[in-house]
Amino acid sequence: DARVTQTPRDKVTEMGQEVTMRCQPILGHNTVFWYRQTMMQGLELLAYFRNRAPLDDSGMPKDRFSAEMPDATLATLKIQPSEPRDSAVYFCASGTPGGGVNTEAFFGQGTRLTVV
Amino acid sequence: DAKTTQPTSMDCAEGRAANLPCNHSTISGNEYVYWYRQIHSQGPQYIIHGLKNNETNEMASLIITEDRKSSTLILPHATLRDTAVYYCIVRTYTGTASKLTFGTGTRLQVTL
Repeated sequence: DARVTQTPRDKVTEMGQEVTMRCQPILGHNTVFWYRQTMMQGLELLAYFRNRAPLDDSGMPKDRFSAEMPDATLATLKIQPSEPRDSAVYFCASGTPGGGVNTEAFFGQGTRLTVV
Repeated sequence: DAKTTQPTSMDCAEGRAANLPCNHSTISGNEYVYWYRQIHSQGPQYIIHGLKNNETNEMASLIITEDRKSSTLILPHATLRDTAVYYCIVRTYTGTASKLTFGTGTRLQVTL
């Protein structure tokens, strides 16, 4: 059963530390999305990639966040330095462009980040 | 992408049909209506999408009005496992990647 895999599932870190979240998209998917979810803001799009190139990262705080795709099987989201306001659940989703159901974004289970 | 408006919450008795409305009065000709849902503590899950014709799959039916300014997601026989937040999203389809912008959704509570 193909699925998007995110690691770690939970992360607690101290303020100022670097945090790296990883995402393995579904094999063959060439679009990757990163979302952040909090109670106050809901689901916010941070960035998305197609064929490993960033298409839009306007939702991402540039000073501390960075998103990359080192290869087609791995996407990373880094926060350096982390702050308590970064506490949220971070979701990765993958999909393919084109017609039909393959345009859909399939979401991972998320990484719950707590910055203390 | 066009903005959508959904009720904040709805209740539905188990076994009955759940009809979730969505207004998208500023939708343009190349924009699709998508529905996702998010069950507590899980990632959002795709349900269905459509352009102007009504659509049905194993999960739900999507009814889009003729003027496309509103739509209704129908879960024909709601179960307790359908309790979730349901998001209606209007998305431009260009054949290339396009982002999904989530609103606040409708919290559906299915009860015994």
